[in-house]
Amino acid sequence: TQLLEQSPQFLSIQEGENLTVYCNSSSVFSSLQWYRQEPGEGPVLLVTVVTGGEVKKLKRLTFQFGDARKDSSLHITAAQPGDTGLYLCAGARSGNTGKLIFGQGTTLQVKP
Amino acid sequence: EAQVTQNPRYLITVTGKKLTVTCSQNMNHEYMSWYRQDPGLGLRQIYYSMNVEVTDKGDVPEGYKVSRKEKRNFPLILESPSPNQTSLYFCASSLWQTYNEQFFGPGTRLTVL
Repeated sequence: TQLLEQSPQFLSIQEGENLTVYCNSSSVFSSLQWYRQEPGEGPVLLVTVVTGGEVKKLKRLTFQFGDARKDSSLHITAAQPGDTGLYLCAGARSGNTGKLIFGQGTTLQVKP
Repeated sequence: EAQVTQNPRYLITVTGKKLTVTCSQNMNHEYMSWYRQDPGLGLRQIYYSMNVEVTDKGDVPEGYKVSRKEKRNFPLILESPSPNQTSLYFCASSLWQTYNEQFFGPGTRLTVL
């Protein structure tokens, strides 16, 4: 059973389009992280959200944590080929922050 | 340069032949963890350690062992590898008090024949 469900699993878009990736759960998380992974490399942290309703922006990327801390979204504005990669969300459960749960990932391809 | 290193990066072995994948970090992080990555399943946590001599099971610990004798090292041991342990393995470390933000190593691709 996947505790963190990401959607969509695959996304192929043209350069300049906008997109949103979702990370959903029925469980409450004390914090949620987003990572990006490129082929042949380990994931790299993009952002951590910790407060319900929190919105963080990283250039063209906007991250939101749901009010109930059960879900999160990643929105990319005007996607570029350099955004291509695997996007992963990961959550830490309250009271057991040592155990991290990852979503299955969203593969994004941005075509020039 | 702050980094997590893993060795080997690629390994092909046969069923039942014991192997160890090493992991080392130079950031003085208390927390270290091992994950496996399989298509469609994302990253699944195998074991983690919150400090020296403290280890705990993740979601998929069966068939694996770990030890944490020093702060910087966290080896992953497969006593009797089987084909279903063919996967991409990542080691990670963090200052777990700050939301456990993970720094990942480059990965080890293991094939068990």
